Amino acid sequence: EAGVTQFPSHSVIEKGQTVTLRCDPISGHDNLYWYRRVMGKEIKFLLHFVKESKQDESGMPNNRFLAERTGGTYSTLKVQPAELEDSGVYFCASSLSGTGGHEQYFGPGTRLTVT
Amino acid sequence: DAKTTQPNSMESNEEEPVHLPCNHSTISGTDYIHWYRQLPSQGPEYVIHGLTSNVNNRMASLAIAEDRKSSTLILHRATLRDAAVYYCILRVNFGNEKLTFGTGTRLTIIP
Repeated sequence: EAGVTQFPSHSVIEKGQTVTLRCDPISGHDNLYWYRRVMGKEIKFLLHFVKESKQDESGMPNNRFLAERTGGTYSTLKVQPAELEDSGVYFCASSLSGTGGHEQYFGPGTRLTVT
Repeated sequence: DAKTTQPNSMESNEEEPVHLPCNHSTISGTDYIHWYRQLPSQGPEYVIHGLTSNVNNRMASLAIAEDRKSSTLILHRATLRDAAVYYCILRVNFGNEKLTFGTGTRLTIIP
């Protein structure tokens, strides 16, 4: 069974540019999460989808970040325009719903560098 | 989310047991205790979880204090591959809520 995949693995962009990160969850997982770790900080939650609906977006830092999950399958996280402080590693995770959903499966992350 | 307290770092010799402590004195009755770990250059990985009783799985054991204010993750025989940052996380109920990561414990395995 394929795990959570993320694309790209690395992205280097200039301040003010736009970047779109993609996450493909494990097939059949209704729950999809985005997290990030910025330099020297702890891993922080960004948002949580249940199928195509945003269940919790309390961690989104500002309106430069837009997450979508059309059709309830893969998700994208767009940063527009990117700022220097957006540099870090962005992780995606997925899980089953209900009592089987205690375990979140994480992808390898996308390392974003904004210069 | 209730907070947890872990030592910043620990060392252990290869092939010996490792006991990673976690304090969660403000835990509520509905909080589950979860452990994740993050190996270098990888995403976090689920290790184990429990509510009141001690738990065992293929990766580790979780010992939970009777008052639930602390717990210990036990790696029975540490290998070099177990070198990682270990996170103790409380989650309300058994469900699908977000994970709140702290600073974790960086475990170093000495060959």
